[in-house]
Amino acid sequence: GAGVSQTPSNKVTEKGKYVELRCDPISGHTALYWYRQSLGQGPEFLIYFQGTGAADDSGLPNDRFFAVRPEGSVSTLKIQRTERGDSAVYLCASSLTLPNSPLHFGNGTRLTVT
Amino acid sequence: DAKTTQPPSMDCAEGRAANLPCNHSTISGNEYVYWYRQIHSQGPQYIIHGLKNNETNEMASLIITEDRKSSTLILPHATLRDTAVYYCIVRVRAGGTSYGKLTFGQGTILTVHP
Repeated sequence: GAGVSQTPSNKVTEKGKYVELRCDPISGHTALYWYRQSLGQGPEFLIYFQGTGAADDSGLPNDRFFAVRPEGSVSTLKIQRTERGDSAVYLCASSLTLPNSPLHFGNGTRLTVT
Repeated sequence: DAKTTQPPSMDCAEGRAANLPCNHSTISGNEYVYWYRQIHSQGPQYIIHGLKNNETNEMASLIITEDRKSSTLILPHATLRDTAVYYCIVRVRAGGTSYGKLTFGQGTILTVHP
């Protein structure tokens, strides 16, 4: 079946601009996660949704980062006033809400801030 | 979550078994051992997980020591396509009010050569 889909696959933006990154989870997966991965590092947790609500946003680096999931399916990660340090691969994952259900990741959006 | 320690890199000959070690000496009784791998330019891929018994699936085997302080991921017949970064992760058992996010370390770069 279809996996986690992330669009766009690549995004280049200028410093100071606003960007939106989209994640389409696997159908039926109520849990959704956003991670960020810098070059040479493991993925770093940003935020977790259970249904429509953000159950854990402790990984968001600052208030320029925001994420929504209004209907409990598609999620959008929003970054305001982008900085060069925001350049990274942004990964989305989804899972069933069952004990120990594994996370299934998309291939990410590579964001480059120039 | 308990911290894991993995060697930064390993080599393996094609067709041979690849044995990837992981130390997790501070693991708690309610924490599982998960393995993911990440092939270049792709998102992390779930491989296997276990609590205390050895586990096997179509991708790999997971051997957990009796004291649960370490584990080994075994790829029985490595191929060139198994070249990837392998992450060993300790994850709190998810269920009820606990969701058990994944916390990635640096992983082991496995290179399979002809």
